[in-house]
Amino acid sequence: SQKIEQNSEALNIQEGKTATLTCNYTNYSPAYLQWYRQDPGRGPVFLLLIRENEKEKRKERLKVTFDTTLKQSLFHITASQPADSATYLCALPPYGGSQGNLIFGKGTKLSVKP
Amino acid sequence: GAGVSQSPSNKVTEKGKDVELRCDPISGHTALYWYRQSLGQGLEFLIYFQGNSAPDKSGLPSDRFSAERTGGSVSTLTIQRTQQEDSAVYLCASSLDISSGGYTFGSGTRLTVV
Repeated sequence: SQKIEQNSEALNIQEGKTATLTCNYTNYSPAYLQWYRQDPGRGPVFLLLIRENEKEKRKERLKVTFDTTLKQSLFHITASQPADSATYLCALPPYGGSQGNLIFGKGTKLSVKP
Repeated sequence: GAGVSQSPSNKVTEKGKDVELRCDPISGHTALYWYRQSLGQGLEFLIYFQGNSAPDKSGLPSDRFSAERTGGSVSTLTIQRTQQEDSAVYLCASSLDISSGGYTFGSGTRLTVV
């Protein structure tokens, strides 16, 4: 069955630095990949979707890459701020397609220190 | 409304009682999903509804769990004979359909079974 791994449970960085979070998957080829942000006591908030034919996508200080050969997505936050502290989740559709419910990774908790 | 609304926000119930959790999705969103998140765990898929199609119930953990969606809008997740292991945050999300864009999540219902 498909498996999603986010490289670390927690990542601590200094304000102003670039945070890089990793999402790896195995056993299938998803049509797209999504990233979400979750704050304590809240539901996840959708950030970005990147499709299999897109290498990179940007939104303000966020950049996502999608390497279908390595089966990996990298999520970058440039010029990080304490307000970026949250848990970031990657999510993929099941079974190598684009239909159905998303499968979520367990997330990486990012802490940005001032 | 502007977002996905869930009620109640918190529910404490005695073991063995039945509970009903409600989700009011974004108007016009044809897809509706239920997930649960236990402390420190990832999002676990429970069930999704897409338009008038039969729901995908493949994630429901036992026959004590059921859900319905009336009129293609509001959904109710029912847990019968609650057990302590049912304690979790139950999250509802909606999307335009099951193959496009990101999900919009509600803030969840925190269920505690005592």
